[in-house]
Amino acid sequence: KAGVTQTPRYLIKTRGQQVTLSCSPISGHRSVSWYQQTPGQGLQFLFEYFSETQRNKGNFPGRFSGRQFSNSRSEMNVSTLELGDSALYLCASSTSGPSGETQYFGPGTRLLVL
Amino acid sequence: QQQVKQSPQSLIVQKGGISIINCAYENTAFDYFPWYQQFPGKGPALLIAIRPDVSEKKEGRFTISFNKSAKQFSLHIMDSQPGDSATYFCAASRENDYKLSFGAGTTVTVRA
Repeated sequence: KAGVTQTPRYLIKTRGQQVTLSCSPISGHRSVSWYQQTPGQGLQFLFEYFSETQRNKGNFPGRFSGRQFSNSRSEMNVSTLELGDSALYLCASSTSGPSGETQYFGPGTRLLVL
Repeated sequence: QQQVKQSPQSLIVQKGGISIINCAYENTAFDYFPWYQQFPGKGPALLIAIRPDVSEKKEGRFTISFNKSAKQFSLHIMDSQPGDSATYFCAASRENDYKLSFGAGTTVTVRA
């Protein structure tokens, strides 16, 4: 089975712009989670989707949003980018969710905001 | 606020030695405790996981010890190898919460 794929792998944006990141889960997985990883804050939960429904959202401002499509692919969007949004954005998928099940992570999208 | 506290931040061990990483949590509703391993340029990958009804779980050279009363759990890497050099994250989740709460991570360096 192919693993979790994320596109693009690298991205450079300037402050005030918006960005959309994409995640394709492992075939058959219906749960997709997003995490932000930074050296200072570590791995912070952004949101989780299952069958196109957001089941949980982390403590991030409304500039961070996401969605899931009927084929389980997911996108996250960050509007009005700030320097502090520079991070590695990781997507993880699983059959039914993060509670008690192995999460399979993609390689991440590294976002640099200038 | 970190729901899972992890220590140490980094450690260096000689090849063949034992690496020990500790984690503590406050939320007694947590019922699943995985450890993830991350290499540079890669996403985290599940190493081993435990539930609170078990005090120890071993998979190869990796062992989780779990102390429910102390709300602590630890990862032991026996016979550490240079290929084990990576960052290790403990995590916790609870039913119907749909997220993992991660520790801050421990960078392990194994010297040959």
